[in-house]
Amino acid sequence: DGGITQSPKYLFRKEGQNVTLSCEQNLNHDAMYWYRQDPGQGLRLIYYSQIVNDFQKGDIAEGYSVSREKKESFPLTVTSAQKNPTAFYLCASSISVGQGLLLGNQPQHFGDGTRLSIL
Amino acid sequence: SQQGEEDPQALSIQEGENATMNCSYKTSINNLQWYRQNSGRGLVHLILIRSNEREKHSGRLRVTLDTSKKSSSLLITASRAADTASYFCATDARGYSTLTFGKGTMLLVSP
Repeated sequence: DGGITQSPKYLFRKEGQNVTLSCEQNLNHDAMYWYRQDPGQGLRLIYYSQIVNDFQKGDIAEGYSVSREKKESFPLTVTSAQKNPTAFYLCASSISVGQGLLLGNQPQHFGDGTRLSIL
Repeated sequence: SQQGEEDPQALSIQEGENATMNCSYKTSINNLQWYRQNSGRGLVHLILIRSNEREKHSGRLRVTLDTSKKSSSLLITASRAADTASYFCATDARGYSTLTFGKGTMLLVSP
């Protein structure tokens, strides 16, 4: 079955440590996204990528980094510069938004998230 | 901010009753989408309504859109305990290539 796989499901970070969250999709989607969700809150966009080898900052990119070397993969690194990383992280993908300005964004498919906590 | 805002923040009903959630937004949009999130899981897309549509149905879901009031509503008819989840609206502002999500409505359906 096609879908998005996030791993690990739970992750713990020590002070001063960088950690990487994995996101893999086999939906053949061009666009991928990373969101952060805090308790009782909506989703805030961290980074997004519309095509391989290209990505843009979202609303809360500070303290995070990404790469998009393959269409299927969009890993997120939470760096030590992110002072409050405890949150639920969600990865999503969608078909190309190349025509988004005319047609609007298409539905996004989500993984089941990674819950990151500080040790 | 483009962000949509859902209302109410929380809603508690009995099985069989209808549930209505509202979403307001601030800018012109291409489309508006509704998603469901079960506790501890990712979001699942429910329905998309375009700016030139006024109403759309999908099974027990009915979505309306009023672009003059910049608002949308999601109606779940004959609710079931399995409908217990948080519901989010997401707006697609014209000129932007990303969605903006609201804070969600938490729906509890009791047997």
